Amino acid sequence: QVQLQQSGPGLVKPSQTLSLTCAISGDSVSSNSATWNWIRQSPSRGLEWLGRTYSRSKWDSDYAVSVKSRISISPDTSKNQFSLQLISVTPEDTAVYYCARGAPAAFDYWGRGTLVTVSS
Amino acid sequence: DILMTQSPSSLSASVGDRVTITCRASQSISSSLNWYQQKPGKAPNLLIYAAASLQSGVPSRFSGSGFGTDFTLTISSLQPEDFATYYCQQSYSIPRTFGGGTKVEI
Repeated sequence: QVQLQQSGPGLVKPSQTLSLTCAISGDSVSSNSATWNWIRQSPSRGLEWLGRTYSRSKWDSDYAVSVKSRISISPDTSKNQFSLQLISVTPEDTAVYYCARGAPAAFDYWGRGTLVTVSS
Repeated sequence: DILMTQSPSSLSASVGDRVTITCRASQSISSSLNWYQQKPGKAPNLLIYAAASLQSGVPSRFSGSGFGTDFTLTISSLQPEDFATYYCQQSYSIPRTFGGGTKVEI
């Protein structure tokens, strides 16, 4: 059974960096068949896919255009986890953030979600 | 980006009813369409993948159909635990995009 355990702060100040981590059990971040995704949800934007990292012959990542200049998703193979960094946040980045496994197209396992509020 | 449009945005139904939710893509996505159920305070849960394949552990009263741009999710006999919000999501191209949701209420 795959489990995704999210961690990270629930409050971030405007202009600072949002950082979240998703620890994986029951699978490997280095899997050649899965992708590792971050998705957020807010009343104004609904469910919004932010990006993914994955390993095939090499590590790669894809990002949504809306956040491409501010986002980084990276794997940590030593800890079997992956992380989200979103720089220069504004109140519009306030949302529930989820990590999810892509298998590889549908999101079959999700973390429990982290409410991140951007406020001073 | 591929725009996913769901209808209706909400519906009222009773236990035992047959419920159909539609999802339309702004361009052809073959059968690359997934359906999720979300309950308040919880993460979405995968119900149907590749338009018509039932995810392991999901009751058989849920079914999906469609190809190209038009898709449907059907609940054959609505149960009390099915009152939730349902989302479609395309996996044809990057970025992955979701529909706006359909809230199924009593």
